[in-house]
Amino acid sequence: DTGVSQDPRHKITKRGQNVTFRCDPISEHNRLYWYRQTLGQGPEFLTYFQNEAQLEKSRLLSDRFSAERPKGSFSTLEIQRTEQGDSAMYLCASSSPDTGLEQYFGPGTRLTVT
Amino acid sequence: GENVEQHPSTLSVQEGDSAVIKCTYSDSASNYFPWYKQELGKRPQLIIDIRSNVGEKKDQRIAVTLNKTAKHFSLHITETQPEDSAVYFCAASKSGSQGNLIFGKGTKLSVKP
Repeated sequence: DTGVSQDPRHKITKRGQNVTFRCDPISEHNRLYWYRQTLGQGPEFLTYFQNEAQLEKSRLLSDRFSAERPKGSFSTLEIQRTEQGDSAMYLCASSSPDTGLEQYFGPGTRLTVT
Repeated sequence: GENVEQHPSTLSVQEGDSAVIKCTYSDSASNYFPWYKQELGKRPQLIIDIRSNVGEKKDQRIAVTLNKTAKHFSLHITETQPEDSAVYFCAASKSGSQGNLIFGKGTKLSVKP
């Protein structure tokens, strides 16, 4: 499968714990995006990387959230001191330097905070 | 702030009928408008998109129209089939951003055989 992949697909954690998600973009896609989707809503933008540089962050991305893309390939999203309101689907997308704006999504990581 | 409104929230049609979903955006500088289809438990799938320099784009049974003056765009699906049943999301690019898409709340389309 050459599409965007995410790991894990599901994560259940207790309030206050830290969690980390991984996203592997489509090969040669230099742009990578993180979104959050709650039930009945469209995806909400969190942050965006071009290569290893984090170029944009949403106000939704509180101090407890941090994202990295150290080598310009895969990315990680960490949530510290999780809260019940963090329960959501975390989606990753990537786009190529050729098509630019077309974003292709991964299957997501569903986070449940108990 | 910028937002995208999408209507209707649910739409039920008979197989073979057409379906139309409409979106309105607030950021007049938005220049890219994709549509995604999301089946239950699956990833959003890009089905068609349009850029602000084009008024209409068609791909087989799917078409998108854009009215920049009115700041609205629509998805048209003709000859609907049961496999078209899904949630459809419209989105608009945020001005000054290379990647920030603002999504509507989605339309749940049901195609009855």
